[in-house]
Amino acid sequence: AQKITQTQPGMFVQEKEAVTLDCTYDTSDQSYGLFWYKQPSSGEMIFLIYQGSYDEQNATEGRYSLNFQKARKSANLVISASQLGDSAMYFCAMREVNQAGTALIFGKGTTLSVSS
Amino acid sequence: DTEVTQTPKHLVMGMTNKKSLKCEQHMGHRAMYWYKQKAKKPPELMFVYSYEKLSINESVPSRFSPECPNSSLLNLHLHALQPEDSALYLCASSQRDRGYTFGSGTRLTVV
Repeated sequence: AQKITQTQPGMFVQEKEAVTLDCTYDTSDQSYGLFWYKQPSSGEMIFLIYQGSYDEQNATEGRYSLNFQKARKSANLVISASQLGDSAMYFCAMREVNQAGTALIFGKGTTLSVSS
Repeated sequence: DTEVTQTPKHLVMGMTNKKSLKCEQHMGHRAMYWYKQKAKKPPELMFVYSYEKLSINESVPSRFSPECPNSSLLNLHLHALQPEDSALYLCASSQRDRGYTFGSGTRLTVV
């Protein structure tokens, strides 16, 4: 079974600072995909960034980058130059594959609070 | 159109009511999902439809009944729910196991 671990229930950062949200995963699959989603209080799940297990370079999307360390099975999200609008819940997720099909499974999430 | 649309956004229902949640996408995605999310918890997978066929049912109680009438539409029929079923219900769709797009959810309250 696959598993996603996010050990930081809450993180606090000031505007314009960088912040790293931790995510480790456990899988025996050779091919897998890792995702980060942002969920503001409105409830919508907003896709941020994707990293495939065979991707040689770390993924980047604007202010978001993924620090992918395959040997350590970690996929930390780095947000540069935090903004007040970044305050939200952040979920790390992995694509789970079994005989029946595929779906995303989620870590417990990290609540990020950005202050001015 | 790169959206997943869920209706209604909010729903209050009694324990004896029957209601339905609707999810629609026009991105040509062939897999669609229902997730249940309690406050401050991660989404939990309920059902997966692949090519309009139910492929995964995560041991969900029969008071939740999914339906996929066509490749763009996913319904979740609700009957005789309990107050503990109150949650945010999220629909998602995907193509090629990479792009998972979520709707904004239906906030369900069972009274």
